[in-house]
Parts: sequence; C-alpha cells; structure tokens
Amino acid sequence: QSALTQPASVCGSPGQSITISCTGTSSDVGGYNSVSWFQHHPGKAPKLIIYDVSNRPSGVSNRFSGSKSGNTASLSISGLQAEDETEYYCCSYTSSDTYVFGTGTKVTVL
Amino acid sequence: QLQLQESGPGLVKPSETLSLTCTVSGGSISGSTYYWGWVRQPPGKGLEWIGTIFYTGSTYYNPSLKSRVTLSVDTSKNQFSLKLDSVTAADTAIYYCARRGSSRAKFDYWGQGTLVTVSS
Repeated sequence: QSALTQPASVCGSPGQSITISCTGTSSDVGGYNSVSWFQHHPGKAPKLIIYDVSNRPSGVSNRFSGSKSGNTASLSISGLQAEDETEYYCCSYTSSDTYVFGTGTKVTVL
Repeated sequence: QLQLQESGPGLVKPSETLSLTCTVSGGSISGSTYYWGWVRQPPGKGLEWIGTIFYTGSTYYNPSLKSRVTLSVDTSKNQFSLKLDSVTAADTAIYYCARRGSSRAKFDYWGQGTLVTVSS
C-alpha cells in the first residue's frame, strides 16, 4: 500500500488559515469516512486532532477542522498560532483492513 | 487516565529479532471496543503503521512487513508485544504503541515511543 500524499510543507502567518491536503484512492480515503489527523512534535507522541474525517476529540481546539471530497481529505487550521508549528499526518483505513499514513506535512508559522 | 509505555532493547543486531512490549495502565486491554497497535517513524521519515491486534488475538499487518511481523497480547499482564524478524538498518526507528479507539483510524492514546537502532 502506498502512503497517502500530503504536501511536504505549508506556511502561514499568525492569525491566518491554512489547509493541508491528503490524497489517496477509492480504496482508502475515498472509500471510507475513517480518516484521522495527527499533530506530531518530534520526540513526542503523536496527538489525535481529527477522527472520522471531521470529528474533534475532547480538548482539541476548534481551530482545527477536517473535511473530505472524493479521494482527498483536508485539515484546516484557522487563527494560526506559533504553537501550531510542527508536523501533521493523515491516516486512513483501507479496504484491506489495514491503515495507511500520509507522507507528512511540516507547518511553518512565519 | 489511560497510559501506554513501550519497553525493550534499544539496540538490535542486523538479522536478529526486534522485540518490544507495550504495557497498558489505567484501563483494561480486554475491552471489546478497542484494538492495540504499533506505529514506527524512521529517522527523517514519516509515520508507518506496522500492525494492530485485538485482545482475542486477531491480527492485522502492514502488507510490506507482514512476512516479518508478529503481534501478540497477554491479557493477564495487560500487555501486547511486537516481534520483527530479520531486521536491517532500515528498521531503525522510533516505535510507538497506540490504542485504536471506537472508530477505525482513531488512534487516540499513544506511548511516548522508544528508539530502536539496528547496528552491529
């Protein structure tokens, strides 16, 4: 199974909004509403910020939102803050009863 | 609060077997809703799903690793384990254990990760 495709990097100024895409196939992203997003600071455990495409776990800021169209899922971050600068990964369930992560996106706050 | 903690050797020789254990505290590994899994991150690379196990022993593996991976669970110790055979330098990575929650792909609790280096 191939990794889901994410842009290597996305940048924005404080207060702005950014969007990270996650492109797969009809066998993963497009076939199921089972896409999650993780925020990962190097050296720390990944943190779940979105699950089931658009649901936020308790305690996660509402500045994070998720959506999906066809084979592409998206993570949006509004009101960008310095603390948002880190890596983000998507993850999807697949038709083979497995999981596949995205290639990862480095978010830089200018 | 649920906590997961990885343990095992930090250095493994090439061609040998990598063995890690994840100890779960603050909750039972035998819950009917949850699955337990392993994810790794090689240096400078992205996250890679290794496999997932249910408390009954049902397993699901990454096709690219399936021939070398074995997951097991010990409900009496509230632990689950990973064995990766015939390791090479490419298996050097931070290995994380995680709980898959009530929804697919909802990995909601993670261990802090443990670095395993494959080197002679």
